[in-house]
Amino acid sequence: DTGVSQNPRHKITKRGQNVTFRCDPISEHNRLYWYRQTLGQGPEFLTYFQNEAQLEKSRLLSDRFSAERPKGSFSTLEIQRTEQGDSAMYLCASSRAGGPYEQYFGPGTRLTVT
Amino acid sequence: GESVGLHLPTLSVQEGDNSIINCAYSNSASDYFIWYKQESGKGPQFIIDIRSNMDKRQGQRVTVLLNKTVKHLSLQIAATQPGDSAVYFCAENFGNEKLTFGTGTRLTIIP
Repeated sequence: DTGVSQNPRHKITKRGQNVTFRCDPISEHNRLYWYRQTLGQGPEFLTYFQNEAQLEKSRLLSDRFSAERPKGSFSTLEIQRTEQGDSAMYLCASSRAGGPYEQYFGPGTRLTVT
Repeated sequence: GESVGLHLPTLSVQEGDNSIINCAYSNSASDYFIWYKQESGKGPQFIIDIRSNMDKRQGQRVTVLLNKTVKHLSLQIAATQPGDSAVYFCAENFGNEKLTFGTGTRLTIIP
């Protein structure tokens, strides 16, 4: 257990529905990252926050995706109008600021869009 | 674009032997590298990291070597155990806070 928690662990949804995932980082970590991982591939960067500020977004993060970290602690990732191509493992990681430093990953949320 | 790749997708090693997992990176500006271990259904687990001003770093049963001349990274695991069976990823950072991962090497320990 790295200290990063994610909920839910699994989510099955029908195409067109909205889903929201939550990440609770290690409490003293200022930086929080979202990655997406498909089967057989390494994680791909989506976005990251320093405290409550979203500092970078990948081109992978289409208009249907939005992430927030309102109080600089937990973060949510919402996907609107889900598509089958959104099926993947969504990983959250956190790290100290001022680095780069090692990023500690949560267990992930596996999304299946039917 | 920049990429991190791995030479071998699978590696089988006899229990107790040493294993070496290799990784090539393409961005000479990368300044920080991490090795992660990922077991089935779990998130990546940090193993060891190294900064570009070093060429070797040792941890418990693991050693990471960095060769900046040929842009090559390796992870050596000594005296492998069944619990070392997993997919191993190298990841690089080039000053922009995000990690770029390769596709991974599956390590299988043969009892």
